[in-house]
Amino acid sequence: AAGVIQSPRHLIKEKRETATLKCYPIPRHDTVYWYQQGPGQDPQFLISFYEKMQSDKGSIPDRFSAQQFSDYHSELNMSSLELGDSALYFCASSLQGTGANVLTFGAGSRLTVL
Amino acid sequence: AQRVTQPEKLLSVFKGAPVELKCNYSYSGSPELFWYVQYSRQRLQLLLRHISRESIKGFTADLNKGETSFHLKKPFAQEEDSAMYYCALSGMNTGFQKLVFGTGTRLLVSP
Repeated sequence: AAGVIQSPRHLIKEKRETATLKCYPIPRHDTVYWYQQGPGQDPQFLISFYEKMQSDKGSIPDRFSAQQFSDYHSELNMSSLELGDSALYFCASSLQGTGANVLTFGAGSRLTVL
Repeated sequence: AQRVTQPEKLLSVFKGAPVELKCNYSYSGSPELFWYVQYSRQRLQLLLRHISRESIKGFTADLNKGETSFHLKKPFAQEEDSAMYYCALSGMNTGFQKLVFGTGTRLLVSP
């Protein structure tokens, strides 16, 4: 079965550069979540989208933005990168209205800022 | 505020020993509780959820509303159980059903 696909797998950027991460949810899932997991840290919720509209917002810096497109894939755009942005960025998807909200996670995109 | 607490950062046991990973939560209402596992260099995977009351890979977890706990247990640990384990909760109070994670417990099972 198709899982949540994230691209790229690894990304190396320098300070003040920009980066874009992509997430392709499980087919027919209508909700996408972005999480940031720093080294040795628990995943921190950044933002989520339901039916292409932002549904919730967490600890996402103003330098970051995200959107969900008509095909339900989502992109996380990060600008003016800082060293502290180095982390594993997980995307997860779910289908609302199916009982317990089970999130299925992608393998993550590892961003290293030098 | 919704919060998940996992008091142990690391739990090291020998193969065959019982395991209990502690999880306590604070939440106003009826949350949904989950355990996610992250094996080395792999994605977060759902291990089990409280509403299903099932045993996965020998692990069980019972929601204790009185103690606001959702401890993960396994009677006989195996080496392949070594991983990071995250307790998480979800509910209407957390926002649009997003997961709030605990800080995780690393389980090391030695031969």
